[in-house]
Amino acid sequence: AQSVTQPDIHITVSEGASLELRCNYSYGATPYLFWYVQSPGQGLQLLLKYFSGDTLVQGIKGFEAEFKRSQSSFNLRKPSVHWSDAAEYFCAVGAKAAGNKLTFGGGTRVLVKP
Amino acid sequence: EPEVTQTPSHQVTQMGQEVILRCVPISNHLYFYWYRQILGQKVEFLVSFYNNEISEKSEIFDDQFSVERPDGSNFTLKIRSTKLEDSAMYFCASGPGVGDQTQYFGPGTRLLVL
Repeated sequence: AQSVTQPDIHITVSEGASLELRCNYSYGATPYLFWYVQSPGQGLQLLLKYFSGDTLVQGIKGFEAEFKRSQSSFNLRKPSVHWSDAAEYFCAVGAKAAGNKLTFGGGTRVLVKP
Repeated sequence: EPEVTQTPSHQVTQMGQEVILRCVPISNHLYFYWYRQILGQKVEFLVSFYNNEISEKSEIFDDQFSVERPDGSNFTLKIRSTKLEDSAMYFCASGPGVGDQTQYFGPGTRLLVL
């Protein structure tokens, strides 16, 4: 069965500092991997995705993530956070077959200090 | 940019009542999904729908739940006899499917069962 772990429930970061959110997955084959962001009162917005190819993927809002098969990880990074990045971030894994479910991690809530 | 929309944004109902949550997926997408997020818990898959039938469902999706695409644009989730534990945020998602397994989420409907 597929599973996703986000070890950090909360992270507090100063504005302008770098951010890294951890995601570890368990899946029997090469997964499809996603990061979504949920701002207060909003839905889940897709930040970026990995299907195949280059293991470093770029997303919206200046985010990037790196797929490391040997570590079963897909960590999200941003070099310099903005106050508007305060939100909850979810990592998700899915199978390659169309229509298959996504399995989500528990989320990491990011607080940004001025 | 096309978006998934959901109505209502909030719904309060009495235990035992039927509720219908509505979603309008992105127009050229082929796959449709419902997920839910109980407060403080992970986003959980409920059901996926393709070609007018359920393609996968979770153990949560029991006989009190049903989905329908009544008119080629709307996608609904019906809960026949609501229970207190059905209180959650319900997310609809859609995806293009072939060649792209990305799922795009709506803003959610917050359901409160009293």
